[in-house]
Amino acid sequence: GAVVSQHPSRVICKSGTSVKIECRSLDFQATTMFWYRQFPKQSLMLMATSNEGSKATYEQGVEKDKFLINHASLTLSTLTVTSAHPEDSSFYICSASGNRGLEEQFFGPGTRLTVL
Amino acid sequence: GENVEQHPSTLSVQEGDSAVIKCTYSDSASNYFPWYKQELGKGPQLIIDIRSNVGEKKDQRIAVTLNKTAKHFSLHITETQPEDSAVYFCAASFGDMRFGAGTRLTVKP
Repeated sequence: GAVVSQHPSRVICKSGTSVKIECRSLDFQATTMFWYRQFPKQSLMLMATSNEGSKATYEQGVEKDKFLINHASLTLSTLTVTSAHPEDSSFYICSASGNRGLEEQFFGPGTRLTVL
Repeated sequence: GENVEQHPSTLSVQEGDSAVIKCTYSDSASNYFPWYKQELGKGPQLIIDIRSNVGEKKDQRIAVTLNKTAKHFSLHITETQPEDSAVYFCAASFGDMRFGAGTRLTVKP
């Protein structure tokens, strides 16, 4: 149990375009979903926390107008990178909690975004 | 806020040996300490966790110990195998989860 999927797994886009990444909890209801960014050989950096049906809470330094997060249902959250630039290229990972308590997070497989 | 330090950053062991990774945290309110294994190009996978009311937890070849007084916790892997090679992250949580910098473990056959 506790499976989280992400789509797409890899995406390449041109500078200036927007990219949407989906995160789904497949076998449980995720009351809270988290979005992380990971640079090569570095740790996970929390970008934002979203609760179903409410606005996401962004970490300091993360532009909410650039990284749009929607958590419309208990099984789906989306991250949209708007007007992407090469510096937005990174590995984006979502996680979900809600099955066994707020602390336990289950991670998706990640999405590799490359902006040309 | 919480600050988690993890050591060592890289660890190389011979197959069959034990591996130990250590983490310290700063916020005494943290009460949940998971360990994640991340393979190249994949998301982190929870391998074991411990809560603040427990001092030690074991799951087959993996064990975690917690010293609340000293605010440190450790991951122990015994009888290491090549497939244990990955990056391991510790984390500490009281609401928000904060991750250590990661340890790249290499198990040589």
